[in-house]
Amino acid sequence: DGGITQSPKYLFRKEGQNVTLSCEQNLNHDAMYWYRQDPGQGLRLIYYSQIVNDFQKGDIAEGYSVSREKKESFPLTVTSAQKNPTAFYLCASSQPPPADTQYFGPGTRLTVL
Amino acid sequence: AQSVSQHNHHVILSEAASLELGCNYSYGGTVNLFWYVQYPGQHLQLLLKYFSGDPLVKGIKGFEAEFIKSKFSFNLRKPSVQWSDTAEYFCAVSTSGGSYIPTFGRGTSLIVHP
Repeated sequence: DGGITQSPKYLFRKEGQNVTLSCEQNLNHDAMYWYRQDPGQGLRLIYYSQIVNDFQKGDIAEGYSVSREKKESFPLTVTSAQKNPTAFYLCASSQPPPADTQYFGPGTRLTVL
Repeated sequence: AQSVSQHNHHVILSEAASLELGCNYSYGGTVNLFWYVQYPGQHLQLLLKYFSGDPLVKGIKGFEAEFIKSKFSFNLRKPSVQWSDTAEYFCAVSTSGGSYIPTFGRGTSLIVHP
């Protein structure tokens, strides 16, 4: 089955630690995205990548970093510089813009203690 | 910059009631419009989309949306909701000015009572 996988589903970390969230897709999509979902705030774009070895900051990139070394993978690192990292993180992929439907993973809920 | 407003944050309906969720965007040029749905415990998925052509778009599960360019709106409708429509609904817009990267609204939480 084609789709997007995110792991882990739940993640707990101590304040001050960096943590990396995994996102893998087998849809052969060129574009991948990371969103943060907070209650009442919808989805806010963190980073996106339209091609391997290239990525762009979204609206709330501060405190986050990404890499895109393979077409299938787009990991997100939440660094200690992110002031409020506890959130639900969604990864998505699509054919490159102009627009196509985005396909979303199941999400990772990160809790920083 | 493009932006999306969803006016109804929480909607509670009884089964068989009609539904209309508002979505307005701000961008003066060509837009692509989407409604996504997130059922409890499931992935966010596409409900329907508008790129061009007929402004009345039909989606899955009996949903439809109408693009009204003069009102910068893309409201979602369903004539008769079911308990299984309980979910969170997100409107999104992508534009040439935003490199066609979708911007999402804040979402509307819909609860349908049986």
